[in-house]
Amino acid sequence: LAKTTQPISMDSYEGQEVNITCSHNNIATNDYITWYQQFPSQGPRFIIQGYKTKVTNEVASLFIPADRKSSTLSLPRVSLSDTAVYYCLVGDGAAGNKLTFGGGTRVLVKP
Amino acid sequence: DAGVIQSPRHEVTEMGQEVTLRCKPISGHDYLFWYRQTMMRGLELLIYFNNNVPIDDSGMPEDRFSAKMPNASFSTLKIQPSEPRDSAVYFCASSTLGLMNTEAFFGQGTRLTVV
Repeated sequence: LAKTTQPISMDSYEGQEVNITCSHNNIATNDYITWYQQFPSQGPRFIIQGYKTKVTNEVASLFIPADRKSSTLSLPRVSLSDTAVYYCLVGDGAAGNKLTFGGGTRVLVKP
Repeated sequence: DAGVIQSPRHEVTEMGQEVTLRCKPISGHDYLFWYRQTMMRGLELLIYFNNNVPIDDSGMPEDRFSAKMPNASFSTLKIQPSEPRDSAVYFCASSTLGLMNTEAFFGQGTRLTVV
């Protein structure tokens, strides 16, 4: 399993863009990169998944450089309700990989 | 679909008692996961099933913990006997196809307090 490293916490203000970078130097060829969001007292919720380049959905964008050794989750114009813990996961579904969560990044959005 | 359903939402029990947590995965999902979350250790994967068969239980802390999936729509996580250090939020999640090529859906969790 590729190990991931991400900042423990980040502060931001409403309306700003938040970028969270995750390092995964040992990512394997078949590995996908997935991000989850967890609000207090709730289970994690899937945000976005990608393999390379850029992926965008209604919630976030995921930027993956060519070497895939890192990825950046971008949350545009955050609001107070985006305060949560964000987890970066790397793994290969075809191998029946475990969904293993690291420590996550605690994002606090201030008014 | 109502999503992954866990019961109970909260459980308070005395040390030494048996505790059973229940999970109903999303219909059609063939992977089911049990997680435990604490402030100290974060989200830990305890065990996961594929097509009702346990695939990896290496995260189960000790023999006091056991999990079953008698059919595709029901799973249990049992702790016997329970100890105060088992106090945590226990999440169940389900997914389908490749684990990382699709999203996993989590239940609301069961908050277990062992006194």
